[in-house]
Amino acid sequence: DSGVTQTPKHLITATGQRVTLRCSPRSGDLSVYWYQQSLDQGLQFLIQYYNGEERAKGNILERFSAQQFPDLHSELNLSSLELGDSALYFCASSVGQGGVAAFFGQGTRLTVV
Amino acid sequence: GESVGLHLPTLSVQEGDNSIINCAYSNSASDYFIWYKQESGKGPQFIIDIRSNMDKRQGQRVTVLLNKTVKHLSLQIAATQPGDSAVYFCAENIGMDSNYQLIWGAGTKLIIKP
Repeated sequence: DSGVTQTPKHLITATGQRVTLRCSPRSGDLSVYWYQQSLDQGLQFLIQYYNGEERAKGNILERFSAQQFPDLHSELNLSSLELGDSALYFCASSVGQGGVAAFFGQGTRLTVV
Repeated sequence: GESVGLHLPTLSVQEGDNSIINCAYSNSASDYFIWYKQESGKGPQFIIDIRSNMDKRQGQRVTVLLNKTVKHLSLQIAATQPGDSAVYFCAENIGMDSNYQLIWGAGTKLIIKP
């Protein structure tokens, strides 16, 4: 158990809908990262927050947004969902802004039908 | 852009043998490297890391080697076990000037033959 908690574990929704994925980082970690992993693919970095502020942005679509709350948990919002958004979404956390290992949650499997 | 890549997408190893997974990187400014293991349906799990001021680091049954001259990273797993079956990712951190951006390799699938 990495200490990073993601909910829900599975999510099935229709095209055009909006969903929110939730992540609770490890105790003491200030950074939260979001990644997308399509079937048999590598990890695509979406966005990073550090202590409530956006720290780095990757290949995140405009239909996607995220935030980190004062209690350091984070949410990833995915809107106007398309079939191609079906993927595993991982959250990771680390104690610092970077240059340290990040620890991953078990992921949310999103299926868009 | 610059990226981390892997030589072999799939590696088959006999149980009990040593496994070596390779990774090439192209950014000379990279100062920190991490290996992750991802089992099917699970999140990546941290295995071992190494900073650029080192060329070798050992963990439990794993060793990471860093050759900065040829920009090469490898993960050695001793006495490979069935539980080592997974996809292994290397990740490269290119430092503070690049906002600590972590570049991920494509992954190598390790298959253990009984």
